[in-house]
Amino acid sequence: QVQLQESGPGLVKAAQTLSLTCTVSRGSISSGDYFWSWIRQPPGKALEWIGYIHSSGKTYYNPSLESRLTISADTSKNHFSLRLSIVTAADTAVYYCARDDTWVHALNIWGPGTVVTVSS
Amino acid sequence: QMTQSPSTLSASVGDRVTITCRASQSISSWLAWYQQKPGEAPRLLIYKASSLESGVPSRFSGSGSGTEFTLTISSLQPDDFATYYCQQYNAFPRTFGQGTKVEIK
Repeated sequence: QVQLQESGPGLVKAAQTLSLTCTVSRGSISSGDYFWSWIRQPPGKALEWIGYIHSSGKTYYNPSLESRLTISADTSKNHFSLRLSIVTAADTAVYYCARDDTWVHALNIWGPGTVVTVSS
Repeated sequence: QMTQSPSTLSASVGDRVTITCRASQSISSWLAWYQQKPGEAPRLLIYKASSLESGVPSRFSGSGSGTEFTLTISSLQPDDFATYYCQQYNAFPRTFGQGTKVEIK
Protein backbone atom coordinates (compact mmCIF):
# COMPACT_ATOMS: atom_id res chain seq x y z
CA GLN A 1 0.00 0.00 0.00
CA VAL A 2 1.35 3.41 -0.99
CA GLN A 3 2.26 5.62 1.96
CA LEU A 4 2.80 9.37 2.14
CA GLN A 5 4.70 11.29 4.81
CA GLU A 6 4.99 15.05 5.19
CA SER A 7 8.12 16.66 6.58
CA GLY A 8 9.34 20.17 7.21
CA PRO A 9 9.64 22.89 9.86
CA GLY A 10 6.80 23.12 12.32
CA LEU A 11 7.43 26.81 12.95
CA VAL A 12 7.87 29.52 10.33
CA LYS A 13 8.28 33.23 10.92
CA ALA A 14 5.84 35.61 9.35
CA ALA A 15 6.87 36.97 5.93
CA GLN A 16 9.16 34.01 5.35
CA THR A 17 8.68 30.92 3.14
CA LEU A 18 7.02 27.72 4.27
CA SER A 19 8.60 24.62 2.70
CA LEU A 20 7.25 21.10 3.05
CA THR A 21 8.11 17.80 1.40
CA CYS A 22 5.94 14.73 0.92
CA THR A 23 7.85 11.47 0.56
CA VAL A 24 6.05 8.67 -1.23
CA SER A 25 6.87 5.07 -0.38
CA ARG A 26 5.73 1.78 -1.93
CA GLY A 27 4.76 3.63 -5.09
CA SER A 28 6.17 5.95 -7.72
CA ILE A 29 5.25 9.60 -8.27
CA SER A 30 6.18 9.03 -11.91
CA SER A 31 2.93 7.13 -12.49
CA GLY A 32 0.64 9.03 -14.83
CA ASP A 33 -2.46 7.87 -12.99
CA TYR A 34 -2.14 10.29 -10.09
CA PHE A 35 -1.98 13.92 -9.13
CA TRP A 36 0.11 14.57 -6.06
CA SER A 37 -1.78 17.02 -3.90
CA TRP A 38 -1.53 19.39 -0.96
CA ILE A 39 -4.46 20.23 1.32
CA ARG A 40 -4.46 22.23 4.52
CA GLN A 41 -6.73 22.68 7.52
CA PRO A 42 -6.51 25.72 9.82
CA PRO A 43 -7.24 24.99 13.49
CA GLY A 44 -10.92 24.17 13.96
CA LYS A 45 -11.73 24.89 10.32
CA ALA A 46 -12.54 23.04 7.12
CA LEU A 47 -10.21 21.50 4.59
CA GLU A 48 -8.75 23.75 1.90
CA TRP A 49 -7.38 22.39 -1.37
CA ILE A 50 -4.00 23.98 -2.13
CA GLY A 51 -2.99 22.42 -5.44
CA TYR A 52 -1.36 19.47 -7.13
CA ILE A 53 1.29 18.30 -9.55
CA HIS A 54 1.11 15.56 -12.15
CA SER A 55 4.02 13.34 -13.17
CA SER A 56 4.12 15.32 -16.43
CA GLY A 57 5.04 18.38 -14.37
CA LYS A 58 1.69 20.05 -14.91
CA THR A 59 0.49 21.93 -11.85
CA TYR A 60 -2.86 23.31 -10.74
CA TYR A 61 -3.05 25.83 -7.93
CA ASN A 62 -5.80 27.32 -5.82
CA PRO A 63 -6.17 30.87 -7.19
CA SER A 64 -6.31 32.22 -3.64
CA LEU A 65 -2.72 31.04 -3.08
CA GLU A 66 -1.30 30.99 -6.60
CA SER A 67 0.78 34.15 -6.34
CA ARG A 68 2.70 32.73 -3.36
CA LEU A 69 2.72 29.03 -4.20
CA THR A 70 5.05 26.60 -5.92
CA ILE A 71 4.54 22.85 -6.06
CA SER A 72 7.36 20.78 -7.50
CA ALA A 73 8.40 17.15 -7.76
CA ASP A 74 11.69 15.28 -7.64
CA THR A 75 11.24 11.89 -9.26
CA SER A 76 14.77 10.78 -8.32
CA LYS A 77 13.85 11.15 -4.65
CA ASN A 78 10.23 10.12 -5.17
CA HIS A 79 8.93 13.14 -3.35
CA PHE A 80 7.04 16.32 -4.09
CA SER A 81 7.21 19.65 -2.36
CA LEU A 82 5.28 22.78 -1.47
CA ARG A 83 6.68 26.28 -1.07
CA LEU A 84 4.44 29.06 0.17
CA SER A 85 6.03 32.47 0.38
CA ILE A 86 5.32 35.55 2.49
CA VAL A 87 3.38 33.59 5.09
CA THR A 88 1.07 35.14 7.67
CA ALA A 89 -0.78 33.81 10.71
CA ALA A 90 -3.60 32.82 8.33
CA ASP A 91 -1.29 30.15 6.90
CA THR A 92 -1.10 28.35 10.26
CA ALA A 93 -2.64 24.93 9.64
CA VAL A 94 -2.20 21.20 9.44
CA TYR A 95 -0.79 20.52 5.99
CA TYR A 96 -1.60 17.21 4.33
CA CYS A 97 -0.21 15.64 1.22
CA ALA A 98 -2.45 13.21 -0.62
CA ARG A 99 -2.78 11.19 -3.80
CA ASP A 100 -5.53 12.24 -6.20
CA ASP A 101 -6.39 9.14 -8.18
CA THR A 102 -7.51 9.82 -11.75
CA TRP A 103 -9.48 6.55 -11.79
CA VAL A 104 -11.67 7.43 -8.81
CA HIS A 105 -11.36 11.22 -9.03
CA ALA A 106 -10.77 11.59 -5.32
CA LEU A 107 -8.04 11.78 -2.71
CA ASN A 108 -7.71 8.15 -1.77
CA ILE A 109 -4.41 8.12 0.11
CA TRP A 110 -3.36 10.76 2.64
CA GLY A 111 -0.31 11.49 4.72
CA PRO A 112 -0.82 11.88 8.47
CA GLY A 113 -0.38 15.65 8.23
CA THR A 114 2.10 18.07 9.70
CA VAL A 115 1.37 21.09 11.87
CA VAL A 116 2.82 24.38 10.69
CA THR A 117 2.59 27.44 12.90
CA VAL A 118 3.43 30.91 11.63
CA SER A 119 4.91 33.08 14.36
CA SER A 120 5.03 36.86 14.36
CA GLN B 1 -19.06 26.70 -3.51
CA MET B 2 -20.08 23.60 -1.61
CA THR B 3 -22.55 23.95 1.25
CA GLN B 4 -23.17 21.15 3.72
CA SER B 5 -26.08 20.77 6.09
CA PRO B 6 -26.43 20.45 8.93
CA SER B 7 -23.20 21.77 10.42
CA THR B 8 -23.70 19.57 13.47
CA LEU B 9 -25.85 16.51 13.88
CA SER B 10 -26.65 14.72 17.15
CA ALA B 11 -27.58 11.08 16.78
CA SER B 12 -27.63 7.77 18.61
CA VAL B 13 -26.07 4.44 17.76
CA GLY B 14 -28.35 2.66 15.32
CA ASP B 15 -29.86 5.83 13.87
CA ARG B 16 -30.10 6.45 10.15
CA VAL B 17 -28.16 9.62 9.38
CA THR B 18 -28.27 11.78 6.27
CA ILE B 19 -25.92 14.64 5.40
CA THR B 20 -26.57 16.96 2.47
CA CYS B 21 -24.08 18.74 0.23
CA ARG B 22 -25.22 21.36 -2.26
CA ALA B 23 -23.14 22.78 -5.10
CA SER B 24 -23.57 26.34 -6.33
CA GLN B 25 -23.62 25.02 -9.91
CA SER B 26 -23.94 21.61 -11.49
CA ILE B 27 -21.01 19.30 -10.88
CA SER B 28 -22.54 16.23 -12.56
CA SER B 29 -21.47 13.31 -10.33
CA TRP B 30 -18.03 14.63 -9.54
CA LEU B 31 -18.35 14.51 -5.78
CA ALA B 32 -16.46 12.72 -3.03
CA TRP B 33 -17.17 12.23 0.67
CA TYR B 34 -14.55 11.98 3.41
CA GLN B 35 -14.62 11.09 7.11
CA GLN B 36 -12.23 12.78 9.52
CA LYS B 37 -11.68 11.93 13.16
CA PRO B 38 -9.88 14.30 15.57
CA GLY B 39 -6.13 14.34 15.05
CA GLU B 40 -6.34 12.16 11.95
CA ALA B 41 -6.17 12.69 8.21
CA PRO B 42 -9.41 12.44 6.25
CA ARG B 43 -10.42 9.09 4.82
CA LEU B 44 -12.17 8.63 1.48
CA LEU B 45 -15.60 7.04 1.80
CA ILE B 46 -17.44 7.70 -1.47
CA TYR B 47 -16.30 8.85 -4.93
CA LYS B 48 -18.22 9.78 -8.07
CA ALA B 49 -21.18 10.59 -5.82
CA SER B 50 -22.21 6.99 -5.15
CA SER B 51 -19.25 4.62 -5.50
CA LEU B 52 -18.07 3.05 -2.27
CA GLU B 53 -14.31 3.13 -1.70
CA SER B 54 -12.73 -0.25 -1.09
CA GLY B 55 -12.78 -1.28 2.56
CA VAL B 56 -15.52 1.17 3.56
CA PRO B 57 -18.47 -0.46 5.36
CA SER B 58 -21.62 -0.89 3.31
CA ARG B 59 -23.67 1.13 5.81
CA PHE B 60 -22.24 4.18 4.05
CA SER B 61 -23.88 5.22 0.80
CA GLY B 62 -23.93 8.28 -1.43
CA SER B 63 -26.45 9.60 -3.90
CA GLY B 64 -27.24 12.60 -6.02
CA SER B 65 -26.12 14.41 -9.13
CA GLY B 66 -26.09 17.94 -10.44
CA THR B 67 -26.24 20.22 -7.43
CA GLU B 68 -27.63 18.12 -4.57
CA PHE B 69 -25.96 15.16 -2.94
CA THR B 70 -26.45 13.08 0.19
CA LEU B 71 -24.30 10.83 2.34
CA THR B 72 -26.30 8.29 4.32
CA ILE B 73 -25.20 6.09 7.18
CA SER B 74 -27.85 3.40 7.45
CA SER B 75 -27.17 2.43 11.06
CA LEU B 76 -24.78 4.68 12.96
CA GLN B 77 -21.99 2.85 14.75
CA PRO B 78 -19.73 4.13 17.58
CA ASP B 79 -16.82 4.39 15.12
CA ASP B 80 -18.83 6.75 12.89
CA PHE B 81 -18.81 9.74 15.22
CA ALA B 82 -16.62 12.09 13.22
CA THR B 83 -16.70 15.05 10.85
CA TYR B 84 -17.72 14.47 7.24
CA TYR B 85 -16.69 16.59 4.24
CA CYS B 86 -17.83 16.66 0.65
CA GLN B 87 -15.51 17.76 -2.17
CA GLN B 88 -16.30 18.62 -5.76
CA TYR B 89 -14.17 17.47 -8.70
CA ASN B 90 -15.90 19.31 -11.48
CA ALA B 91 -13.81 22.45 -11.54
CA PHE B 92 -10.73 24.12 -10.13
CA PRO B 93 -10.11 24.78 -7.35
CA ARG B 94 -11.28 21.48 -5.86
CA THR B 95 -13.44 22.88 -3.09
CA PHE B 96 -14.60 21.19 0.09
CA GLY B 97 -17.76 21.75 2.06
CA GLN B 98 -17.48 23.27 5.52
CA GLY B 99 -18.00 19.90 7.21
CA THR B 100 -20.72 18.16 9.23
CA LYS B 101 -19.88 16.98 12.71
CA VAL B 102 -21.78 13.89 13.83
CA GLU B 103 -22.01 13.87 17.62
CA ILE B 104 -23.31 11.41 20.16
CA LYS B 105 -26.84 12.28 21.30
